[in-house]
Amino acid sequence: AQSVTQLGSHVSVSEGALVLLRCNYSSSVPPYLFWYVQYPNQGLQLLLKYTTGATLVKGINGFEAEFKKSETSFHLTKPSAHMSDAAEYFCAVNTNRDDKIIFGKGTRLHILP
Amino acid sequence: EAGVVQSPRYKIIEKKQPVAFWCNPISGHNTLYWYRQNLGQGPELLIRYENEEAVDDSQLPKDRFSAERLKGVDSTLKIQPAELGDSAVYLCASSLRQQYNEQFFGPGTRLTVL
Repeated sequence: AQSVTQLGSHVSVSEGALVLLRCNYSSSVPPYLFWYVQYPNQGLQLLLKYTTGATLVKGINGFEAEFKKSETSFHLTKPSAHMSDAAEYFCAVNTNRDDKIIFGKGTRLHILP
Repeated sequence: EAGVVQSPRYKIIEKKQPVAFWCNPISGHNTLYWYRQNLGQGPELLIRYENEEAVDDSQLPKDRFSAERLKGVDSTLKIQPAELGDSAVYLCASSLRQQYNEQFFGPGTRLTVL
């Protein structure tokens, strides 16, 4: 069964500091991997996705993630945090090549001034 | 291009009352999803439609939940009767088939059952 684990339900970083949100998945086949962001009282917005090809994926708002098969990880990073990055971030996985994706429990990112 | 539209945005009802949520997906998107998002959790799929056909409703509590997408466009999710544990945000999403599952989400309906 496919699953995704996000380490840390809350992460706090200072404005201008590196953002690192961790995601590990379980899969017996090459997965499709996603990061979504959810701002308060809004739906989810796709940040980036990995399907095939280059393992370093760049997304919107300066975020990027690297697929590491050996570590079964897909961690999200941003070099310099901005106050507007404060939101909930969800990692998601699809391993069945159908339209069903499984979401992690989310990580709330707090940006400290 | 308009995004996924959901209404109402907020709903407060007493337990045992019925409630319905409406979703209009992005034009041309043939796949529609209903998710439930409990507080502090990620979205969990309730039902997925391909056009008007429900292709995955394995997680839908069928004793009280029902959904329809009669013309393969907009959709309604109903709960009857509502229970306290149904308090959550109900999200609708849509996608094009064969698009690596890039799902576009609506803003959700926040349901509070008293």
